[in-house]
Amino acid sequence: EAQVTQNPRYLITVTGKKLTVTCSQNMNHEYMSWYRQDPGLGLRQIYYSMNVEVTDKGDVPEGYKVSRKEKRNFPLILESPSPNQTSLYFCASRFSGSYEQYFGPGTRLTVT
Amino acid sequence: KQEVTQIPAALSVPEGENLVLNCSFTDSAIYNLQWFRQDPGKGLTSLLLIQSSQREQTSGRLNASLDKSSGRSTLYIAASQPGDSATYLCAGTNNAGNMLTFGGGTRLMVKP
Repeated sequence: EAQVTQNPRYLITVTGKKLTVTCSQNMNHEYMSWYRQDPGLGLRQIYYSMNVEVTDKGDVPEGYKVSRKEKRNFPLILESPSPNQTSLYFCASRFSGSYEQYFGPGTRLTVT
Repeated sequence: KQEVTQIPAALSVPEGENLVLNCSFTDSAIYNLQWFRQDPGKGLTSLLLIQSSQREQTSGRLNASLDKSSGRSTLYIAASQPGDSATYLCAGTNNAGNMLTFGGGTRLMVKP
């Protein structure tokens, strides 16, 4: 089944403890992206990657890192999480020639 | 910077009614527009994608239109059903195709 998977789905952590949220897609998509969704602010783009080893900042990249070493994986790294990074995170992917994005199920992160 | 607005924020209608959801954007240089559905606690499901050269797309009871000159898109849902209850999000892609900007969503409730 074609899908975008994220792990973990739920995570509660403490301020400053490094964490990684994984994202994987099995559709051979070139483009991958991370978003966060917050009440009243909607979905905002954090980082995106046009292909392997090609990443760039979205609208809200502060406090996040990404890497794209393999085409199928695009992990989101929080080196020192803070409470304002408590949010619902979505990973998405698409083919470079198409603009229809496919979203993962989301990761709900709570930083205390 | 592109801004996307959806009005109303919430809408409640009786089953069987035809309805229109509105989406407006500030930058007419939008490349394409995508409508998504989000169920509570779930990810986003792509409903319709209107390419830059198109004016509308249809899928079943759904019809989406795009008017770049006026900065508007509408999603028309015919003969609404309780199963249509969800949050509907519109999102525009910039000309470079690397950034997606979301509206705040319209939360739809279809009452039996």
